[in-house]
Amino acid sequence: QQQVKQSPQSLIVQKGGISIINCAYENTAFDYFPWYQQFPGKGPALLIAIRPDVSEKKEGRFTISFNKSAKQFSLHIMDSQPGDSATYFCAASLTGTASKLTFGTGTRLQVTL
Amino acid sequence: AAGVIQSPRHLIKEKRETATLKCYPIPRHDTVYWYQQGPGQDPQFLISFYEKMQSDKGSIPDRFSAQQFSDYHSELNMSSLELGDSALYFCASSWTGANYGYTFGSGTRLTVV
Repeated sequence: QQQVKQSPQSLIVQKGGISIINCAYENTAFDYFPWYQQFPGKGPALLIAIRPDVSEKKEGRFTISFNKSAKQFSLHIMDSQPGDSATYFCAASLTGTASKLTFGTGTRLQVTL
Repeated sequence: AAGVIQSPRHLIKEKRETATLKCYPIPRHDTVYWYQQGPGQDPQFLISFYEKMQSDKGSIPDRFSAQQFSDYHSELNMSSLELGDSALYFCASSWTGANYGYTFGSGTRLTVV
């Protein structure tokens, strides 16, 4: 059972466009929601993260929108660039010592010229 | 800045052989996590250690074992290897004081032939 559902599975966006990836979670106890970027053969790298007491967080071209009542959160990449082409994973975890991350299934983003 | 170091980067083993993967966390990080990522899949949590004690256990086969040593490095031991064990194995570390923000290593690509 996938506790964190992610869509779309793949996404093609033109350079300069907006990339939007959505995630939904089931466990209402989750209170940390990060997004990871992964390039082929590399480990996931933390991109941006949010806690449920905030509805939106922006860092540069990356924005997380969080809807606690709907148990959904999304990543917006503004002015998408070819260098953003990667696989993006949303994740969720509980607060506490050594809390594991539960990942979404990933979105393969391709930004075309 | 120091990152999470994993060795080896690549490993090829035959079925029924044993493999040992090593992870050196970021200095002062007190928690280590192991994840397995199959081709085109999201990372799956295997096991974690906090202050050298096993903290949580995920979908880790009985053929696998892990430990964290006094210098905080961790090893994942995999015995009776099967073709299905072929995957990327990531180690991540975090500091409880910061509570959030894993840092992943670059992974070990294990191929079982």
